[in-house]
Amino acid sequence: GENVEQHPSTLSVQEGDSAVIKCTYSDSASNYFPWYKQELGKRPQLIIDIRSNVGEKKDQRIAVTLNKTAKHFSLHITETQPEDSAVYFCAASPWAGTALIFGKGTTLSVSS
Amino acid sequence: KAGVTQTPRYLIKTRGQQVTLSCSPISGHRSVSWYQQTPGQGLQFLFEYFSETQRNKGNFPGRFSGRQFSNSRSEMNVSTLELGDSALYLCASSLDSRLATNEKLFFGSGTQLSVL
Repeated sequence: GENVEQHPSTLSVQEGDSAVIKCTYSDSASNYFPWYKQELGKRPQLIIDIRSNVGEKKDQRIAVTLNKTAKHFSLHITETQPEDSAVYFCAASPWAGTALIFGKGTTLSVSS
Repeated sequence: KAGVTQTPRYLIKTRGQQVTLSCSPISGHRSVSWYQQTPGQGLQFLFEYFSETQRNKGNFPGRFSGRQFSNSRSEMNVSTLELGDSALYLCASSLDSRLATNEKLFFGSGTQLSVL
């Protein structure tokens, strides 16, 4: 079955720096790759997603890139702010439907 | 529009007991999926339901089961509880229209299960 690896597990940056989180997946049938942000004590929320027919997508300070050949995708956050501090999860969808296989998460800490 | 509602918010059980968790999706959403969240393993997929049918299933033992009702509400059941079942159980719903799959998931606040 699908397996999603996520790195790093923790990431500390200074306010204003960029942060990059990388994920790899194993199932070439996966065609949808969302990223979720979970703040402490809160539910996960979708921040950006990308489909397999697109190589890059950007939304303000957040961007995601996808390399289908290498089976990896990355989240890029520019001009980080303290409110970006949270756990970020990447995911892949190998099936028809909405079920997701998640990576184990990256705890991002942005210090001012 | 109300969000995804999960009840109860907290549960304390002892080993060997069984438990039933409930999830009410956003009105109009037809797909419901369940995830187990633990500090070491992140979010692990349990199962997904659509139109009262289990559409996909993760790698959990048969002690974990679920169902979906005609109004899209879903329940999951865990029998013969083990200490390792202690976790936050999250439910997520999706519109899952015929126009597209892989729709955005909306998560509930979860049920925190503690097994003593």
